[in-house]
Amino acid sequence: AQSVTQLGSHVSVSEGALVLLRCNYSSSVPPYLFWYVQYPNQGLQLLLKYTSAATLVKGINGFEAEFKKSETSFHLTKPSAHMSDAAEYFCAVSEGDSNYQLIWGAGTKLIIKP
Amino acid sequence: EAGVTQFPSHSVIEKGQTVTLRCDPISGHDNLYWYRRVMGKEIKFLLHFVKESKQDESGMPNNRFLAERTGGTYSTLKVQPAELEDSGVYFCASSQGQNHEQYFGPGTRLTVT
Repeated sequence: AQSVTQLGSHVSVSEGALVLLRCNYSSSVPPYLFWYVQYPNQGLQLLLKYTSAATLVKGINGFEAEFKKSETSFHLTKPSAHMSDAAEYFCAVSEGDSNYQLIWGAGTKLIIKP
Repeated sequence: EAGVTQFPSHSVIEKGQTVTLRCDPISGHDNLYWYRRVMGKEIKFLLHFVKESKQDESGMPNNRFLAERTGGTYSTLKVQPAELEDSGVYFCASSQGQNHEQYFGPGTRLTVT
């Protein structure tokens, strides 16, 4: 069965510091992997997606993620945090070409310290 | 191009009452999904429509929940009768064809008192 684990319900970084949000998944077939972001009082916005092309995926707002099959990971990074990055981040997986159901991690709230 | 819209944005009802949530997908998107996030828990899949047909309803919690998508355009999710544990944020999403990229609406926050 598919599952997604996000390490850390809250992550706090200083403005300008590296952002690293961890996501590990389990899947019996090659997965599609996604990172979504939810800003306060807004809906879910797609940050980036992995769909079996390049393993390093670039998304919006300077974020990127690397798919590592051997580690079953899809960690999200950004070199330099901005105050505007404060939000809740969700990792999600769908399994296989014909299965569109997204399985979600519990979410990580990113806190940016001035 | 308009995004996914949901109505209402908030709903507060008493236990035992009925509530109907509406979702309008992006025009031309055949796939429509409902998800739910209960307070403190992860987002959970409810069901998936392809046009007007239910492709996957494995996530529907019980028979108090009824989803429809007449005509393959907008969808409604009815909860009848509502229970306290139904409180949460209900998200709708849509996607086009075989594209796995889902676009989400702002959600409906349902509070059952």
